[in-house]
Parts: sequence; C-alpha cells; structure tokens
Amino acid sequence: IAGITQAPTSQILAAGRRMTLRCTQDMRHNAMYWYRQDLGLGLRLIHYSNTAGTTGKGEVPDGYSVSRANTDDFPLTLASAVPSQTSVYFCASSDGGGGDTQYFGPGTRLTVL
Amino acid sequence: GQNIDQPTEMTATEGAIVQINCTYQTSGFNGLFWYQQHAGEAPTFLSYNVLDGLEEKGRFSSFLSRSKGYSYLLLKELQMKDSASYLCAVRDRDYKLSFGAGTTVTVRA
Repeated sequence: IAGITQAPTSQILAAGRRMTLRCTQDMRHNAMYWYRQDLGLGLRLIHYSNTAGTTGKGEVPDGYSVSRANTDDFPLTLASAVPSQTSVYFCASSDGGGGDTQYFGPGTRLTVL
Repeated sequence: GQNIDQPTEMTATEGAIVQINCTYQTSGFNGLFWYQQHAGEAPTFLSYNVLDGLEEKGRFSSFLSRSKGYSYLLLKELQMKDSASYLCAVRDRDYKLSFGAGTTVTVRA
C-alpha cells in the first residue's frame, strides 16, 4: 500500500507558466487537502475536498485551483506561477469527520523563478 | 479562525524530558493534534486530544486544557532521532486543521 503519492518530487518553473501538482491516495479516504509550507509560517491550507465532486477554499487559495473528479486523485493547478508560490506543497487525506487523522504525502518542492 | 502559538526552538540532552507548549485561540474548537516532521520529510501523526486531560503513548504524552486554550507535548527519554519539528494543529468544526509554525527540537548527546 503506497498511501499518498505526489508528483513531481521537485520542480523549477519559470514565472507565468502553468503547473499541475499531482496527488493520489489509495486509502479510499473521503477528504483530501493541499497545504503549502514556508519557513516560519508553518503549514497553510490552500484548498480541500470533503468528498469526490466537492471542493472548498482554505486560508490561501488565490492563484491555485483544484478538482476532485474521483476519490483517489486531487490535483492542484497553478494557472500562472509567480515567485511567491515558491514553497513545499503537501497533499494530505483523511477519512473525514470524528477523530480522523490527516495523513501526508511526501511533498513537492516547487521553485518559481 | 485560529491563532496558534508555540516556541520556535528548544534544545535538550539525550535522555532528558522536553515539554513543548502550544496556546491557541479559536472560533470553533474540535480537537488538537500534534505532528512530528523530520527535515525534508512529511509530517507524521503523533497524538490527538479532544477532551481535557493527558493522553499517553509510550515516550510521548499530550495534554489539553480547553478552558485555557492550552496544550503541551511531552517527550520523555529523549533520543537523537527525536530531533525534529513538532507541529501543533487545531481542528475546527468543519474538520479543517490550522497549524502553528512548529517547534524545532534539537537533541544533543
């Protein structure tokens, strides 16, 4: 069982380019999340999905979009990357509700030049 | 929203005990989590508290006081592999987590 996988592991991107970060989980979790982690700021929620077909905005959604066509996949798209989007991006999933725990993928290190 | 504070750094000696405090202000509390994150890796779950009191899991314990908006993570019998960042996270009624900036613990021999 892989848990949560993310791709790519790292990427250097020119400003203005479009980029999709991939996230797949094989735990049949209902909820999925995208966070960015920046030094001194901790993890901040970008977008989330409580179940397939639904998405919601987190704390820092501007410049990002997501879709949840099925249970397993939750891609994050940067339509036109800017240097301030340089960060480490983590995808997470959970059963949803109750005492459930969020499990994190290995992360994608993105540099926008 | 949530406002979560924890110390930036702590240093302790191998075999000792370290207590990491976390204070929070929240508009709707629905549980508090502690995660461990080694450098360059993903956060991993350590503990969960939703009721007041102490939860013990081996060398790690976590305490919660909802009335004081306060939690701590206690690490006992410190080992070198415990050197990591420890993240305090508060869950709201929509089941979303808000994280503190993390506390970097360095264990010295």
